[in-house]
Amino acid sequence: SQTIHQWPATLVQPVGSPLSLECTVEGTSNPNLYWYRQAAGRGLQLLFYSVGIGQISSEVPQNLSASRPQDRQFILSSKKLLLSDSGFYLCAWRGRQNTGELFFGEGSRLTVL
Amino acid sequence: GESVGLHLPTLSVQEGDNSIINCAYSNSASDYFIWYKQESGKGPQFIIDIRSNMDKRQGQRVTVLLNKTVKHLSLQIAATQPGDSAVYFCAYRGGATNKLIFGTGTLLAVQP
Repeated sequence: SQTIHQWPATLVQPVGSPLSLECTVEGTSNPNLYWYRQAAGRGLQLLFYSVGIGQISSEVPQNLSASRPQDRQFILSSKKLLLSDSGFYLCAWRGRQNTGELFFGEGSRLTVL
Repeated sequence: GESVGLHLPTLSVQEGDNSIINCAYSNSASDYFIWYKQESGKGPQFIIDIRSNMDKRQGQRVTVLLNKTVKHLSLQIAATQPGDSAVYFCAYRGGATNKLIFGTGTLLAVQP
């Protein structure tokens, strides 16, 4: 069966520090991968998606970047965090057969102080 | 721009009652809709989906209704239980991009 893992689950970082959130998917090949951000009490905002290794599409201009160094690995990064980067970050995958349903990880809660 | 909105941000129901969560969408070209449940501090979990060639689909204690004429989607939960307390999101696949667009969510609070 397919599983998706995110880490770290919780992160507290000072303003100006770097960020790296990792996501890996197991049990599937060549998935579409997504990073979403969820502000407190709000909906999900799509940040990045990837259809293959090294292929990244950005949805909104921001202080973050994403990379896909391996087929089932998706990384969200920042060189210098801002207060506004605080939020709940969710990684998700969808299979190539494209049923439409996204499978989400458990999320990473980032607090920037 | 495209959007998916919810009529009620918070819904409070008594245990055992039926719950109805509503959602309006703006893209008439959307062909696929999903409801997700998100418990506090966790990632969203798939509940039920429906394609645009259907107007109703039933699962275990849940029913999704789609009215394409007025671009409205609803999730009905029968015999609501405390474990149903969560934020519920509707989402739709928007046109040619094939990406899912999410609404802002409705908090369902089940009172014992």
